[in-house]
Amino acid sequence: QQQVKQSPQSLIVQKGGISIINCAYENTAFDYFPWYQQFPGKGPALLIAIRPDVSEKKEGRFTISFNKSAKQFSLHIMDSQPGDSATYFCAVTGGGNKLTFGTGTQLKVEL
Amino acid sequence: DTAVSQTPKYLVTQMGNDKSIKCEQNLGHDTMYWYKQDSKKFLKIMFSYNNKELIINETVPNRFSPKSPDKAHLNLHINSLELGDSAVYFCASRARTGQGGGYTFGSGTRLTVV
Repeated sequence: QQQVKQSPQSLIVQKGGISIINCAYENTAFDYFPWYQQFPGKGPALLIAIRPDVSEKKEGRFTISFNKSAKQFSLHIMDSQPGDSATYFCAVTGGGNKLTFGTGTQLKVEL
Repeated sequence: DTAVSQTPKYLVTQMGNDKSIKCEQNLGHDTMYWYKQDSKKFLKIMFSYNNKELIINETVPNRFSPKSPDKAHLNLHINSLELGDSAVYFCASRARTGQGGGYTFGSGTRLTVV
């Protein structure tokens, strides 16, 4: 069963625009919600993460919004740049050991 | 210095062969993982080791056998390779079990079974 549902599958944004990727989860025991960025030929790299006791976390142009009651969280990329073009994965973990990924979103930022 | 390194980066082999992928981390982390990324880019955990002890074993065929000679190394041996084993395999590590925190991934091994 898919514990983390991610949308959209692909996204095209103009340079300078806002990219928004959404994830929904089912298990309320999850306690850590990271986003990973993956470039072609590379492994996923941690971008930003949030814990369920806060509703928003911002690091530079990247913001996570977290809605505990709706069991949803999203990644916002402000002022999107061509260098942001990559595949983005949301993920969840609970009990500390097992990182479960969403299905991924392929982002393309056009000039 | 590469934090999590995997070898080889590419592996092309025939059906029925046995192959190994090696992984080493120099981060001093206690926990290491193997993940499989399929052609649709879906990432799924296969195994996890904490300080040489197996702690997660997802529903992976018995043809896949991880081995951890020490906490800095986690190798993956695959017997009787099948076409469906073609994927990118990622090794990862994390500082401590039970602690939320970033996983560090290697660059992957692209396995192609022909």
